[in-house]
Amino acid sequence: LAKTTQPISMDSYEGQEVNITCSHNNIATNDYITWYQQFPSQGPRFIIQGYKTKVTNEVASLFIPADRKSSTLSLPRVSLSDTAVYYCLVGINDYKLSFGAGTTVTVRA
Amino acid sequence: ETGVTQSPTHLIKTRGQQVTLRCSSQSGHNTVSWYQQALGQGPQFIFQYYREEENGRGNFPPRFSGLQFPNYSSELNVNALELDDSALYLCASSLIGTSYGYTFGSGTRLTVV
Repeated sequence: LAKTTQPISMDSYEGQEVNITCSHNNIATNDYITWYQQFPSQGPRFIIQGYKTKVTNEVASLFIPADRKSSTLSLPRVSLSDTAVYYCLVGINDYKLSFGAGTTVTVRA
Repeated sequence: ETGVTQSPTHLIKTRGQQVTLRCSSQSGHNTVSWYQQALGQGPQFIFQYYREEENGRGNFPPRFSGLQFPNYSSELNVNALELDDSALYLCASSLIGTSYGYTFGSGTRLTVV
């Protein structure tokens, strides 16, 4: 499974856009990039998954450059309720998810 | 559809004791996975069950064991509890073969004293 590197923490204010970049230099050809969100005292929740270029859903956008060695999760116009830990996962195999320490995003009023 | 439910939500045990945690999977899912999450860290994979058998295991000792029942619910058993076993234990269900459709429960907070 590809190793991922993401910032430990990020601060933002309500209404701003938050971009979290994840590095995954040894991503394999058939690996997908997946992001999960975790609120305190809750389990992780799937946000978005992509393979290349750009994916957008009602929660976030995922930007993946052509070399796929990094990816950026974009959270538009964050609110206080977006305060959470965000995990970047690469190369999910059939039976397990490999989480790193994630990025703690704190949104302030 | 119902989500993943776990019980109990909180538990305090003494070192050396045994504990059983329970999980009901989401309707339509056929695998159950267990994760251990220590404070400030990401969840770590313990094992997955499919068709009532262990389908993969992480780097956890044999005193961590599990069961999956015909209705796809599951138990996590931990024997000879150690202080380092204090953590949030998460259960996740999915359909076998999917890479992103994991649904997690809210976890059981286990404290070993």
